[in-house]
This record gives sequence, C-alpha cells and structure tokens, in this order.
Amino acid sequence: ILNVEQSPQSLHVQEGDSTNFTCSFPSSNFYALHWYRWETAKSPEALFVMTLNGDEKKKGRISATLNTKEGYSYLYIKGSQPEDSATYLCASPRGTSGTYKYIFGTGTRLKVLA
Amino acid sequence: NAGVTQTPKFRILKIGQSMTLQCAQDMNHNYMYWYRQDPGMGLKLIYYSVGAGITDKGEVPNGYNVSRSTTEDFPLRLELAAPSQTSVYFCASSSRDGYRYRATNEKLFFGSGTQLSVL
Repeated sequence: ILNVEQSPQSLHVQEGDSTNFTCSFPSSNFYALHWYRWETAKSPEALFVMTLNGDEKKKGRISATLNTKEGYSYLYIKGSQPEDSATYLCASPRGTSGTYKYIFGTGTRLKVLA
Repeated sequence: NAGVTQTPKFRILKIGQSMTLQCAQDMNHNYMYWYRQDPGMGLKLIYYSVGAGITDKGEVPNGYNVSRSTTEDFPLRLELAAPSQTSVYFCASSSRDGYRYRATNEKLFFGSGTQLSVL
C-alpha cells in the first residue's frame, strides 16, 4: 500500500447498530495514525492519535485499534446514534522524521438513520 | 480560545480573479498547513509552513502562493483563479514541537473551511 486508503466510502446504519470501518496505510516508516471526525459544516476534529502496534483507544462509544505490522486501523462505533453521522478521516505522517507530511484517506461517510 | 480562524466561509470567483484566504491561529503553533478537499478525494496539501518566514510546497501548489510573516497568520493567495480551483479549502495548524515527530502530543487543528467556486 502506497497511500492511505479508507473503506467503505460511505455507510448507512440504523440507530443502535454497531459499525466499523477501516484505514489502511503503508506499514514501513510508520510514525502514527490519526483519526478525525468531520461533521457537515464544521471542521475536522481529532479523535485519536495512535502510535504503538496493538494500541487501542476509546472515547465514549467510539474506539480504535492499530496494527502497524500489517498497516491497518479499525474504528468502531458501538450503538450508533444520529449525532455520530459524520465523515471519519484517517491520516498518517509520511516522509522522513524531519520533513514528514500528513497523508489523508478519502474518508468514510457515516449516516446513522433514526 | 478561538483556535484556527479561517475566512471567508464561502466565495464565488470569476475566472481570472484573485483572492486571499485568511487563516490565523492563537495557539502559538509553528506548523501551519493549507489543504484542499475535492469530492471523493482525500485532503491534499497545498502549502505548509514550519514557522514565520518559512514556507514550502505541498502536493498541489500550482496556482497558489503563501506567506508567513508572523507565527499567527498564514494566508493563501489564489492568482488568476481557474475552475480547477473550485474546492473546499482548510487551514490547519499542528501542535508539532520541533523537527522530529513527537507522536502523542501532536495533532492537527482545523479551521472551519472555505467553500470556493470559480465560474
């Protein structure tokens, strides 16, 4: 994998369902993996910054895991609520440690139906 | 604490016009970035700055210019606007401290975005 990729592109779930989506990234020269939540008409906000293989982070009903050896991270939402509707972006800093830049995935657009 | 302030929120330009998107942050961050978001694409880096007086090109710099005269401000200038520059633009700053990656204490703070249409 040369770029940061996310799947699925979009997702509709019913209120109360649990869901998850994937971010894939190059496993070589890994520094970190960021997850951002981007609600419509607002700016993206950081959810998690993950750095260690096997990392698991949690914020309320949202959690994320990290596998740096195989180059993927999962974001889980338990008991989805309409307010979880947003685009979820992942990003990974790429390049040398002095000149790295953040490479973003295309996002997963989640719509939670009431 | 205002964070990252970006103006304007919306703008329509005619082909060939110029404009400046303003970005200011009050967090004393050294690193600032300009991204554009096109439908179905990830955020693409236009320009970035590692501190006052220092800027560098990102992935898609053509048609844009930046300056960084102060730590707080990082304006993006569009010269001779073209339809290909129709996009949503985001300014961001980073809590990055120093040259090397510092992991858990670094994340991006975004402005509210500018929706630009060039007709």
